[in-house]
Amino acid sequence: QVQLQESGPGLVKPSETLSLTCTVSGGSVSSGSYYWSWIRQPPGKGLEWIGYIYYSGSTNYNPSLKSRVTISVDTSKNQFSLKLSSVTAADTAVYYCARREDIGDVWGQGTTVTVSS
Amino acid sequence: QLVLTQSPSASASLGASVKLTCTLSSGHSSYAIAWHQQQPEKGPRYLMKLNSDGSHSKGDGIPDRFSGSSSGAERYLTISSLQSEDEADYYCQTWGTGIHWVFGGGTKLTVL
Repeated sequence: QVQLQESGPGLVKPSETLSLTCTVSGGSVSSGSYYWSWIRQPPGKGLEWIGYIYYSGSTNYNPSLKSRVTISVDTSKNQFSLKLSSVTAADTAVYYCARREDIGDVWGQGTTVTVSS
Repeated sequence: QLVLTQSPSASASLGASVKLTCTLSSGHSSYAIAWHQQQPEKGPRYLMKLNSDGSHSKGDGIPDRFSGSSSGAERYLTISSLQSEDEADYYCQTWGTGIHWVFGGGTKLTVL
């Protein structure tokens, strides 16, 4: 059964780039008709979709974040990653990675990122 | 613009049933959605994919007490025989290729 695990710095300074990785076990990022996505949840608020990358390499981003977001896949490490540039305090959140296929979704456990100097 | 609308809160008694609603914005009534559950202090868990015709596919281990249905632009999640562990936030999310996967604002379910 596939499992997803987020990792990355828990603290990022304002104006810098937030970088997170999602390691996939029990499955391959390069096989199947899978969508690999990132979602975030600010403290006390609801879920916000950030974007996804399809196994073919095509991407789709939330329009409100599109200018600052890059999602990519590293098949050699069986990982996919998120980069969010020019962060501010409003980007403080729990960040989740997830996989979607036709029969359903699998979520990672989430990682907390705080933006502060 | 694709928007999902959910009531902020709902409540029902232990052992009873509750029906949560997710409404798709105008022009998007044919879209499938996903339902997710987030228990307090936990990450989200996928419950099911729900199609416009009411057919649905549940995630592994999701009890039969959870079911989905559709009517027009509305997508429903029904939980029967409510248990204390069902007290959680429930989110709907769009499903499809080439579209933005927006979330509804979530419904906080209280089990009385």
